Amino acid sequence: KAGVTQTPRYLIKTRGQQVTLSCSPISGHRSVSWYQQTPGQGLQFLFEYFSETQRNKGNFPGRFSGRQFSNSRSEMNVSTLELGDSALYLCASSFRDGSYNSPLHFGNGTRLTVT
Amino acid sequence: GQQLNQSPQSMFIQEGEDVSMNCTSSSIFNTWLWYKQDPGEGPVLLIALYKAGELTSNGRLTAQFGITRKDSFLNISASIPSDVGIYFCAGQLFGATNKLIFGTGTLLAVQP
Repeated sequence: KAGVTQTPRYLIKTRGQQVTLSCSPISGHRSVSWYQQTPGQGLQFLFEYFSETQRNKGNFPGRFSGRQFSNSRSEMNVSTLELGDSALYLCASSFRDGSYNSPLHFGNGTRLTVT
Repeated sequence: GQQLNQSPQSMFIQEGEDVSMNCTSSSIFNTWLWYKQDPGEGPVLLIALYKAGELTSNGRLTAQFGITRKDSFLNISASIPSDVGIYFCAGQLFGATNKLIFGTGTLLAVQP
């Protein structure tokens, strides 16, 4: 079974630009979550999607947004990039069925560098 | 952003030694998870804990869900070189589904 796939693995962008990151969850997993990892703040929750709806959102500015498609694939977008947005962005998926939610399984991330 | 207190921050040990690390929180958690992250990769799930007091093993790894629901411990027995990496705890609040709060991480180095 393929794991969580994230593309691209590396990105270099300039301040003020926008970027879109892509995530394909494990087959059968319909819940997708995004996390930002930086040396200073560690792993921080961005948002969670299930059945194409945002279910939960972390404490990030509105420049950070996401969406989920009917095939459970997800994208996140960051607009008007700032130097502080440089980070490893991790996507994770889980299986949800009623009240059951499996633990998160992470992809290998997209390393974003903003210059 | 919020992070859980995880200790120790780093450990440098000899192969064959046992290792212990722990996480504490001011919040009560519904679930505790332990992940390991290797350089250039995402966190990999090691153990999931769902009940206060629960003790769960996965090979040489053993983790416990604290009775107060505010802490968790991970032990690694007879460490080997491939145990090298950063270990993270993560707590899930009641009703928060996949909004995990992660610990600050423990860097483990194992000398052959």
